[in-house]
Amino acid sequence: NAGVTQTPKFQVLKTGQSMTLQCAQDMNHEYMSWYRQDPGMGLRLIHYSVGAGITDQGEVPNGYNVSRSTTEDFPLRLLSAAPSQTSVYFCASSSWTGENQETQYFGPGTRLLVL
Amino acid sequence: EDKVVQSPLSLVVHEGDTVTLNCSYEVTNFRSLLWYKQEKKAPTFLFMLTSSGIEKKSGRLSSILDKKELFSILNITATQTGDSAIYLCAGEYNYGQNFVFGPGTRLSVLP
Repeated sequence: NAGVTQTPKFQVLKTGQSMTLQCAQDMNHEYMSWYRQDPGMGLRLIHYSVGAGITDQGEVPNGYNVSRSTTEDFPLRLLSAAPSQTSVYFCASSSWTGENQETQYFGPGTRLLVL
Repeated sequence: EDKVVQSPLSLVVHEGDTVTLNCSYEVTNFRSLLWYKQEKKAPTFLFMLTSSGIEKKSGRLSSILDKKELFSILNITATQTGDSAIYLCAGEYNYGQNFVFGPGTRLSVLP
């Protein structure tokens, strides 16, 4: 049981390049989300998915696309990287285990630098 | 606009001290408030609070929610150097599994 895995751990892009951040979970969780974390701002929700084939926008979706073709995978695509997208990206998954038992599991993060 | 505010943003204490971290929120269709501890990269889950006035405890950590005043506190007693971390507070909104996070409180516990 690997939990939530993210690849790559670190990436450097040039402005205008595209790339995909991978996220996978092996816990059969329905819910998966992508966050970015910037200094002093905490985590901000980019996109989320409540199940395979269903995605929706979060707080800061511009410049990012997602898809959820399987329960396990939730890739995040940067269409045309910009320096403002330099950040640490976290993928998270969770399932409902009861109102007071829910736990959200985070991946280790991907540090992205856009030059 | 949904938002979460945490205070203080930074705190330095000595081992054995007791600390209280504050979190206030304005969240649409509030469902729950969560506390996380982030030491290096990914945050780890501490508590989820949904009901006012019911304290949750885990070892030296405890937390309580006040839904009338829209705030929560996280207490850490007898702090240890291993408690040094960023503590994140998050509000769950729109009845779904989505959250707005505060900026975090950076706690440093000195030996």
